[in-house]
Amino acid sequence: DIVMTQSPDSLAVSLGERATINCKSSQSVLYSSNNRNYLAWYQQKAGQPPKLLIYWASTRESGVPDRFSGSGSGTDFTLTISSLQAEDVAVYYCQQYYSTPLYSFGQGTKLEIK
Amino acid sequence: EVLLVESGGGLVQPGGSLRLSCAASGFTFSNYWMHWVRQVPGKGPVWVSRINSDGSSITFADSVKGRFTISRDNAKDTLYLDLNNLRAEDTAVYYCARGVVGTLSYFDYWGQGTLVTVSS
Repeated sequence: DIVMTQSPDSLAVSLGERATINCKSSQSVLYSSNNRNYLAWYQQKAGQPPKLLIYWASTRESGVPDRFSGSGSGTDFTLTISSLQAEDVAVYYCQQYYSTPLYSFGQGTKLEIK
Repeated sequence: EVLLVESGGGLVQPGGSLRLSCAASGFTFSNYWMHWVRQVPGKGPVWVSRINSDGSSITFADSVKGRFTISRDNAKDTLYLDLNNLRAEDTAVYYCARGVVGTLSYFDYWGQGTLVTVSS
């Protein structure tokens, strides 16, 4: 089973500043046949379900602001919020969908305003 | 607008049963794989089960295998999860989620969730 580990567990960033969240998988989620990383990022606000932000490690879901970006390949991935807004306060999760049926998620990173 | 609405959660004693439902609208339900994902408050989501578009392929996480059953009624645009022999560790919010690309899938839409509490 692939284990997803996020860092840090929590993060406080000033409004307008950059926020960076890391995700490491215990084995590569890069499919060599199509050169795609099977990695997604979700945002979960209090009392709400997770919301898809990024898939294929770097493709932004329709309607997601362009201040959100994803990068990385293989086992190491990053979600970056270029200029933090108040509405970005949430818990963020990475998820691998390379090794199924266990679609494993990270433990989450709580993002707050400093 | 894609909408997924779960129902059927509640308080149940250990060893008891529940049926969760997920009513889908706003898309062609019969074209999509569907999933159940659960989440203990304060913890990360955990995938539970999936079913393919016509119901012919079903998979479960090891933690629920033999106790939970997944099914769908494409005529009613509804997904089900039957929870049997419930344990305290099954306590969680249960979400239905739409899979995007067959088996190797992220989840592009989630319902609001239904809370299952297993306690005596």
